[in-house]
Amino acid sequence: GQNIDQPTEMTATEGAIVQINCTYQTSGFNGLFWYQQHAGEAPTFLSYNVLDGLEEKGRFSSFLSRSKGYSYLLLKELQMKDSASYLCARPDSWGKLQFGAGTQVVVTP
Amino acid sequence: NAGVTQTPKFRILKIGQSMTLQCAQDMNHNYMYWYRQDPGMGLKLIYYSVGAGITDKGEVPNGYNVSRSTTEDFPLRLELAAPSQTSVYFCASTPGHTNEKLFFGSGTQLSVL
Repeated sequence: GQNIDQPTEMTATEGAIVQINCTYQTSGFNGLFWYQQHAGEAPTFLSYNVLDGLEEKGRFSSFLSRSKGYSYLLLKELQMKDSASYLCARPDSWGKLQFGAGTQVVVTP
Repeated sequence: NAGVTQTPKFRILKIGQSMTLQCAQDMNHNYMYWYRQDPGMGLKLIYYSVGAGITDKGEVPNGYNVSRSTTEDFPLRLELAAPSQTSVYFCASTPGHTNEKLFFGSGTQLSVL
């Protein structure tokens, strides 16, 4: 597999910031995806990073360090609707997307 | 625009029964995938296809079969259903691969009892 590791669960308060880390094997790297998945629904695309650095999209930002095999998803100004599972994923050398187990984010009032 | 359509949404099977999960996309995507997701877990690739007439195994293909006779359709066949196949199944498609985001169907909740 791709040994994609991310924390199982994180809890944060509404309005706060949460950072979800993801580490992966660096060999054959072809970019890294983040998906959001609400309970009972299909995953939806959040971001794709292929170069080092931070990419910001509104309240969500994604960071990549290729040399360290490390990425994080930053969620700012948390809202209750952000309670979901966040999946880190990367293509293998054949282009097939491999997913981490997901990080369940719980936003409390 | 329908996107990726999966049927059925829910199904209960008895051990040993067979069924086909249907998946169709109307975006003319070449690549199609079947994933399964067990509770609290990420998605695991069952089978994928890079075009009509071409299919290949993913990470967990045992107990499943697929076909891709057209660009639009990518059915997943379960033969001799087992309790271990209780899961949520997602079909997805992309125009190409590697850096293309996946377009997912709404999923099929399957229980084998």
